[in-house]
Amino acid sequence: KAGVTQTPRYLIKTRGQQVTLSCSPISGHRSVSWYQQTPGQGLQFLFEYFSETQRNKGNFPGRFSGRQFSNSRSEMNVSTLELGDSALYLCASSLEGMGNTEAFFGQGTRLTVV
Amino acid sequence: SQKIEQNSEALNIQEGKTATLTCNYTNYSPAYLQWYRQDPGRGPVFLLLIRENEKEKRKERLKVTFDTTLKQSLFHITASQPADSATYLCALDKPTGGSYIPTFGRGTSLIVHP
Repeated sequence: KAGVTQTPRYLIKTRGQQVTLSCSPISGHRSVSWYQQTPGQGLQFLFEYFSETQRNKGNFPGRFSGRQFSNSRSEMNVSTLELGDSALYLCASSLEGMGNTEAFFGQGTRLTVV
Repeated sequence: SQKIEQNSEALNIQEGKTATLTCNYTNYSPAYLQWYRQDPGRGPVFLLLIRENEKEKRKERLKVTFDTTLKQSLFHITASQPADSATYLCALDKPTGGSYIPTFGRGTSLIVHP
């Protein structure tokens, strides 16, 4: 079966701009989670969407937001980009959510803010 | 908040030997603990999940133990191969809002020498 697809793979943006990243989960998976990975902080949870509703949110400012569509595809948006937002952004899909089910990660979107 | 400690120094071993990676945590014992493998520039790949009431889990050459008294999980790769070289992450799941929020360790790099 097709894996988790994230687009775009690479992105360069300027400070102050906004960006939208996309994640297509595995067919049948209703949970999509987003993560930020940086060398300094490691892999950190941003938020989780399940059946179009945000179920959990990590400790990130309101500039980070997301949504999920009826076909389970998800987008995350970062507004007013800062240099510190440069990171690998990963999404993971699973049947019911993290915890007792296997999560499948995409390849990630490498965002560079200049 | 939950803190997870994984050895930040790379683990170098010879092919054929058993690699043992450690994941220590503070505070609460998680309901689930997961191990992932991550290769450079790619998303993590799920390896094993162990529940709080399980002591040990095996899958092919992989074995995970979970000691809630010591607040520690050990991850073993037997008969290691150069292809096992990667960064290994442990993740602890905290039940929240009907789902789980994962906290990831920073990972340990494993290098298997031929």
